Amino acid sequence: DTEVTQTPKHLVMGMTNKKSLKCEQHMGHRAMYWYKQKAKKPPELMFVYSYEKLSINESVPSRFSPECPNSSLLNLHLHALQPEDSALYLCASSQDDGLSPQHFGDGTRLSIL
Amino acid sequence: QQQVKQSPQSLIVQKGGISIINCAYENTAFDYFPWYQQFPGKGPALLIAIRPDVSEKKEGRFTISFNKSAKQFSLHIMDSQPGDSATYFCAVRKGTGNQFYFGTGTSLTVIP
Repeated sequence: DTEVTQTPKHLVMGMTNKKSLKCEQHMGHRAMYWYKQKAKKPPELMFVYSYEKLSINESVPSRFSPECPNSSLLNLHLHALQPEDSALYLCASSQDDGLSPQHFGDGTRLSIL
Repeated sequence: QQQVKQSPQSLIVQKGGISIINCAYENTAFDYFPWYQQFPGKGPALLIAIRPDVSEKKEGRFTISFNKSAKQFSLHIMDSQPGDSATYFCAVRKGTGNQFYFGTGTSLTVIP
């Protein structure tokens, strides 16, 4: 079982809907990440939070809005998504020491109708 | 812009054989080089990682070889098993900011 929990596992939404993806970890990690992964492609970094502050935004469209309410939780708010946003969204966490690996959740499979 | 180039795209190996996957990078600011294994429907899981001050690291059947001057690193899977059939990604970490970039992936199939 993964130590990073993502909910929901699957999500289908229309282009006008607003939904949120959630990620939770209890390993005491202070860096948390969102990645997007299309089929048969590598994960692409979207956002990085360090000590609950957004430290990296890889030029992600504003229809994706991240939030880190506390050190254990990471959300990704979705609004007015496009069909090309359909993908697997992965959350990861790590110690923020430059030495430690990332631990990934199993992702949320998102489909935009 | 692809930060790290990975080859081959796919690999078929007989059970008991050695699987070798290669990655190359250009940016000398990268300071951490992990390998991940991903099964369908799952997130990537760390296999093994190396820092540039070490030329080789071995954990069980998995070995990373690192050539700093050539800016290349490779994953060797010894005694490959059908359960090793998965997609493997190399990754690099930029020295500051926790920016990780993944290679394009290698689909490994181990034939019984």
